[in-house]
Amino acid sequence: QVQLQESGPGLVKPPQTLSLTCTVSGAAIINGDSYWTWIRQPPGKGLEWIGYIYNSGRTYYSPSLKSRVTISADTSKNQFSLKLTSVTAADTAVYYCARGLGAFDFWGQGTMVTVSS
Amino acid sequence: QSVLTQPPSVSGAPGQRVTISCTGSSSNIGAGYEVHWYQQLPGTAPKLLIYSNTNRPSGVPDRFSGSKSGTSASLAITGLQAEDEADYYCQSYDRSLSGSVFGGGTKLTVL
Repeated sequence: QVQLQESGPGLVKPPQTLSLTCTVSGAAIINGDSYWTWIRQPPGKGLEWIGYIYNSGRTYYSPSLKSRVTISADTSKNQFSLKLTSVTAADTAVYYCARGLGAFDFWGQGTMVTVSS
Repeated sequence: QSVLTQPPSVSGAPGQRVTISCTGSSSNIGAGYEVHWYQQLPGTAPKLLIYSNTNRPSGVPDRFSGSKSGTSASLAITGLQAEDEADYYCQSYDRSLSGSVFGGGTKLTVL
């Protein structure tokens, strides 16, 4: 069974950088046919796809966030990470990591990140 | 404004059948990209309910079914149960945006 767990600060000041890590168990992120994704959900709102990493280094980002997002992987720790720069209150959300490119079949429990000074 | 359009809410009595629509365009559903559905119970992460238009992951009851036609897709739930009360999201790929897109979500209330 694949399990994902997000970790990182719950509070970030604007315009700092939001940094989160997703630790994966039950599957190797270095596996070339798996895609590792970040998705977020603002309070009371719907889901927004942020981007993914695959082949341990190739990335693709949402056009609306592309200028501020970096997703990277640490295969030695079986983790992948999200960095979002120049955050504002609009970036306040629950951030989920998930596996998948089309359908997202395994999800982390999510971590709430609040952007506030 | 979500790329995929869902009704904000639907409701039904226990035992009834409800459907949730997901309307897209020629750059996503209409272009042949697959539609996936998720169930999100309050305070929890979304759970994959239907993948590739019509398929159920192991463990999902056959009360849940998906369909797709043209630029739209639908999720049907039969034999409605109290534990089905949740938010439901559709998801697909959009070639204009070059990425995954979600519907705005539909809140199902079991009366």
